[in-house]
Amino acid sequence: KAGVTQTPRYLIKTRGQQVTLSCSPISGHRSVSWYQQTPGQGLQFLFEYFSETQRNKGNFPGRFSGRQFSNSRSEMNVSTLELGDSALYLCASSLGLAGPPYNEQFFGPGTRLTVL
Amino acid sequence: GENVEQHPSTLSVQEGDSAVIKCTYSDSASNYFPWYKQELGKRPQLIIDIRSNVGEKKDQRIAVTLNKTAKHFSLHITETQPEDSAVYFCAATGYSTLTFGKGTMLLVSP
Repeated sequence: KAGVTQTPRYLIKTRGQQVTLSCSPISGHRSVSWYQQTPGQGLQFLFEYFSETQRNKGNFPGRFSGRQFSNSRSEMNVSTLELGDSALYLCASSLGLAGPPYNEQFFGPGTRLTVL
Repeated sequence: GENVEQHPSTLSVQEGDSAVIKCTYSDSASNYFPWYKQELGKRPQLIIDIRSNVGEKKDQRIAVTLNKTAKHFSLHITETQPEDSAVYFCAATGYSTLTFGKGTMLLVSP
């Protein structure tokens, strides 16, 4: 079974631009969660999508948004980029149902975003 | 919401020593506690997990213990090897969203 994939792997943008990242979950997984990873801050939860609906949301500004398609693929968008948005953005997929093992998450390789 | 505290932030050991990383959580509804290992430049990989109805779980040199009453769980690595050097994250969840600790950088010196 193919793992979680993310595209692109690397991105360089300038302040003020917007960016869209993509995540394809493991086949059969309906939940996709997004995380921002920066040195010193660990993995910070952005949001989770399940069956095309945002089910949970972390404490990030409205510039960060996402969506999920009927095939469970998810995209994350960041508008009006700031220098502080430079980070590794990871997505993780799971079956998304309550309780283990249904909530075990599998990570993609991440997208490294650099904002200049 | 859930809050997970992880200690220490860095841990240096000699090859062959044991390493222990501790985490506490706040939400008594959490029922699943995975540990992830992240090597430099790579994605986090699940190395072991424990469910709330189990007190201890072992997998070769790695073990995890859970104390539900005290709301803390720990990762134990015995006979450490240089390839164990990585950042380790604990996490907790009661449903589907994982809350992570801030990570422990483990350095194993030959």
